Amino acid sequence: AQSVTQLGSHVSVSEGALVLLRCNYSSSVPPYLFWYVQYPNQGLQLLLKYTSAATLVKGINGFEAEFKKSETSFHLTKPSAHMSDAAEYFCAVSGAPGGYQKVTFGIGTKLQVIP
Amino acid sequence: GAVVSQHPSRVICKSGTSVKIECRSLDFQATTMFWYRQFPKQSLMLMATSNEGSKATYEQGVEKDKFLINHASLTLSTLTVTSAHPEDSSFYICSARQPNQPQHFGDGTRLSIL
Repeated sequence: AQSVTQLGSHVSVSEGALVLLRCNYSSSVPPYLFWYVQYPNQGLQLLLKYTSAATLVKGINGFEAEFKKSETSFHLTKPSAHMSDAAEYFCAVSGAPGGYQKVTFGIGTKLQVIP
Repeated sequence: GAVVSQHPSRVICKSGTSVKIECRSLDFQATTMFWYRQFPKQSLMLMATSNEGSKATYEQGVEKDKFLINHASLTLSTLTVTSAHPEDSSFYICSARQPNQPQHFGDGTRLSIL
């Protein structure tokens, strides 16, 4: 069984400030972890993924996430928020091996960037 | 990067009609395609998983006779919502993947049943 908890359904940051979106996971097997971004009325775009290699994962648009097994966390960060980062972000987990099969999504965090 | 095309992007139709949504992988062969439903302000809920040439596997609580899925080729899967009713109104999203690769998502279909 696997699940994801995203802390904070809404996060507001000022433009240029640090972005931190929290995600904790639960998995009975070593997990694959993902962050996706969704813009209004669009599908999901993969930001980054963790697949048991390096624990610090860098993704697109300046985002990165760190896998911490001891904390069962996979928080998403970006040093400096841009207006174009305003969107909804989903953390997701999938069980390895064959870790791209059934993916379980969190409820999403809506990021607001204040000018 | 991999591109998944979903069509139509928006459908408005009368109650009782059937609606077909197409999902195509444009630049790769998708061994597996997934169909999700997303309610307002909620996450994606997996409806079914389809592998090319075989019957779709539906999640618990999803009516297979209501939501017909066909994965006839390695680049095309269709979802048909049969005899649609207002409660079927939702945002439907497909995804596709190759072996050992993450899912790539389409842009979704906004279905509105009047």
